[in-house]
Amino acid sequence: GNSVTQMEGPVTLSEEAFLTINCTYTATGYPSLFWYVQYPGEGLQLLLKATKADDKGSNKGFEATYRKETTSFHLEKGSVQVSDSAVYFCALSEGDDKIIFGKGTRLHILP
Amino acid sequence: ETGVTQSPTHLIKTRGQQVTLRCSSQSGHNTVSWYQQALGQGPQFIFQYYREEENGRGNFPPRFSGLQFPNYSSELNVNALELDDSALYLCASSDGSGRSTDTQYFGPGTRLTVL
Repeated sequence: GNSVTQMEGPVTLSEEAFLTINCTYTATGYPSLFWYVQYPGEGLQLLLKATKADDKGSNKGFEATYRKETTSFHLEKGSVQVSDSAVYFCALSEGDDKIIFGKGTRLHILP
Repeated sequence: ETGVTQSPTHLIKTRGQQVTLRCSSQSGHNTVSWYQQALGQGPQFIFQYYREEENGRGNFPPRFSGLQFPNYSSELNVNALELDDSALYLCASSDGSGRSTDTQYFGPGTRLTVL
């Protein structure tokens, strides 16, 4: 079945460091791919998405490129801020509204 | 601000009891999905409703049931609660009819604790 695997956390970085959170997926067809973010005490928010191969999703300085050849959708940001501290979920959806989530990666940014 | 609200925020029940969780979707959103998020895990799909009909179900037993109403509100009912049902329950709404490209908007969740 479809699944998402993302790097284990927690990830701790200093402010202004470069961020990569790895995500790979398994799917039978051509899924849409998402990154969701969960800030402390808040609900899940869509951060970015890509719906077909080679698409790049971007938002708030974060980017991820849909790589069909490597079945990956890694999240990157060039310079993180303390306010980026949150839990990040990679996810996919294929053919219906059901979203399959990874286990999440907790990110701590130190000032 | 997504416009999706859930109630209550927190709830404590004992094993064997029944619980009803409520969600109010954004106006105009015909699809609502429910997810269970155990501590330290990603959300797991429970089921989805589209225009008041169940439109898909994950690997959850029949004691998890739902309703969707014409006023964009919905309910998740869980009977015969078990300790493992302790989790954050999320609802998400979208204005699509099942397309994978539709954006889902999540509510803040209801934290259920089963003792």
